[in-house]
Amino acid sequence: AQSVTQLDSQVPVFEEAPVELRCNYSSSVSVYLFWYVQYPNQGLQLLLKYLSGSTLVKGINGFEAEFNKSQTSFHLRKPSVHISDTAEYFCAVDVQGAQKLVFGQGTRLTINP
Amino acid sequence: DSGVTQTPKHLITATGQRVTLRCSPRSGDLSVYWYQQSLDQGLQFLIQYYNGEERAKGNILERFSAQQFPDLHSELNLSSLELGDSALYFCASSVSPGPYEQYFGPGTRLTVT
Repeated sequence: AQSVTQLDSQVPVFEEAPVELRCNYSSSVSVYLFWYVQYPNQGLQLLLKYLSGSTLVKGINGFEAEFNKSQTSFHLRKPSVHISDTAEYFCAVDVQGAQKLVFGQGTRLTINP
Repeated sequence: DSGVTQTPKHLITATGQRVTLRCSPRSGDLSVYWYQQSLDQGLQFLIQYYNGEERAKGNILERFSAQQFPDLHSELNLSSLELGDSALYFCASSVSPGPYEQYFGPGTRLTVT
C-alpha cells in the first residue's frame, strides 16, 4: 500500500527566509503528487500538483516543488516566506487509478517576525 | 471560498447517536469525496462518489455510510457514534475522478460526548 511521510511535523522559520518542507512517498507504481495548504479553521487548498512532464512544478503563492523519482520525494520550497504563509501543509499521493488521495501527517509552518 | 458547502459547521452529540453530514459540491463537479481529519489518524480518505455511484472506498467504518443524490449533493451518515469519531469531516469535489484538483469544503466539526 502506498504511504506518504512528511519528515517534519513542525518547521519554524523567520520571515523572508527560505523554507523547504519534505515529503517522501512509497509506491511501486506511477503516482500523482500534490501539496495542499490548510489555513487555520479552513478547508484544504491546492498549492500545486505533479502529474507528468517537468519535475519542477510551480504553484500558487510563490511555492514550487521538485519530483525526484529515484528518491521518491516531492519536497516543497519557497525562497522567501511571509507571515501569511503560516499554515499546515499536506503532501498527498494519488496512485493511478485509485481515485483517492493518501495524505501525509502534515507539517505546521510557523513564520516568526 | 472553494464553492463547496458543508452543513452543519459544528455538531455536538452523544455516544450511540446517529448524525448526517451534508455536502454540496461545486457547480459542475460530478465527483464527491469524504475525508476524516483527527489528531490520531490525520487526514484519511473515507469514500468517493461519481455521478451517484460509489467509485472508491477507503478506511470507512461499517457504522458509516454515504450516498450521492441525483442533484449531486452528498450525505455522510454516522451511526452508533463513539468518542473516537470526534473529528473534522471534509467533503471535496472535482469535475470527475482522476488527478484533478479536489476542492475542499470548510468541514463539519463533530464532537461526540
